[in-house]
Amino acid sequence: DADVTQTPRNRITKTGKRIMLECSQTKGHDRMYWYRQDPGLGLRLIYYSFDVKDINKGEISDGYSVSRQAQAKFSLSLESAIPNQTALYFCATRGRLGQPQHFGDGTRLSIL
Amino acid sequence: DAKTTQPPSMDCAEGRAANLPCNHSTISGNEYVYWYRQIHSQGPQYIIHGLKNNETNEMASLIITEDRKSSTLILPHATLRDTAVYYCIVRLPRSLNAGNMLTFGGGTRLMVKP
Repeated sequence: DADVTQTPRNRITKTGKRIMLECSQTKGHDRMYWYRQDPGLGLRLIYYSFDVKDINKGEISDGYSVSRQAQAKFSLSLESAIPNQTALYFCATRGRLGQPQHFGDGTRLSIL
Repeated sequence: DAKTTQPPSMDCAEGRAANLPCNHSTISGNEYVYWYRQIHSQGPQYIIHGLKNNETNEMASLIITEDRKSSTLILPHATLRDTAVYYCIVRLPRSLNAGNMLTFGGGTRLMVKP
């Protein structure tokens, strides 16, 4: 979905490095989400935000932090990357309650 | 949240209709049925959702049985680009808001063949 853009698309880095994944959207949605997906598993929620001043932890927030710089931008940071954070990361947005989420194309992150 | 059951895989000939079933026998009155798909290494893509009436959009049709215990996603003229894993998800709208809708199961791997 070109309305939700994630950068970078791929990243390889070393253990202990700080990494930031960025997400921007042009859909005008207030709600934004970060998920990770591991091989053979579904998506797991890391953090979500209902608006710029409202950020909430998901089920697997340890080791991650986020920043909602504006309605359109939601960044995910790994302060000190570790190998088991190697995964595919997705950003998503949602409009009104009950409406579906719209996803970016993901960031493939590998930590050596 | 209601549990869903889907066949692990299906094949479909290109140009034919693909009918993907989903069983959700424990669905509650206010839970919606959502369908997403994920093409390899891409983000999940929303397809369609419904409560109890059949729904149709430019991508697909959703048929929900009268007792709401099962549903079928129909891709009317499948193409090779429809090859993906299709997920049926049953959730209350308020739980969608919290973002926890996507801890879904294995889905159905649809292979569209020439």
